[in-house]
Amino acid sequence: GENVEQHPSTLSVQEGDSAVIKCTYSDSASNYFPWYKQELGKGPQLIIDIRSNVGEKKDQRIAVTLNKTAKHFSLHITETQPEDSAVYFCAATTTNTGNQFYFGTGTSLTVIP
Amino acid sequence: NAGVTQTPKFQVLKTGQSMTLQCAQDMNHNSMYWYRQDPGMGLRLIYYSASEGTTDKGEVPNGYNVSRLNKREFSLRLESAAPSQTSVYFCASSGTGTGGQEQYFGPGTRLTVT
Repeated sequence: GENVEQHPSTLSVQEGDSAVIKCTYSDSASNYFPWYKQELGKGPQLIIDIRSNVGEKKDQRIAVTLNKTAKHFSLHITETQPEDSAVYFCAATTTNTGNQFYFGTGTSLTVIP
Repeated sequence: NAGVTQTPKFQVLKTGQSMTLQCAQDMNHNSMYWYRQDPGMGLRLIYYSASEGTTDKGEVPNGYNVSRLNKREFSLRLESAAPSQTSVYFCASSGTGTGGQEQYFGPGTRLTVT
């Protein structure tokens, strides 16, 4: 089955700096890659996603890039703010596996004011 | 449009007791999921239902049963709770096929088994 690895497990940045979180996947059939933000005591919230026919997607201060050849995708947050502090999860899925999602182990991001 | 709802929000059980966690979605999604989240361990899939009428085991199914009651509802049952099942449980749903795979999570149920 699919295996998703996520790095780093913790990340601290100064407010205003950029943050990058990286994930790799093993199944070349995976075709959808979402990113989730989880704040303390809440459920994961979908913040951005990318499909396998696209190399990059942006939404204001966040962007995701996908390299299908190398089987890795990354989340980029620019101009970080204290409210960006949370745990971020990447995931991969393909409709070939009954829509089962495979998650990374999470990155705890702290933005220092 | 409430998205994914879960009940209860909190529950305390004694070892050996049973309970059912309820989940409902109003997004007309085909697929529904149950995950557990333990400190520092990310999300682990317990069971999922790719479509109404089907259910499949995930990574950690032992000690749990599920029922896909209809397209909207997917329940998780603990027949004989154990302390190892103390966790936060999340239900999620997603569409299927091109353009419809977004997965959305409920707010979670925090379960403590003593």
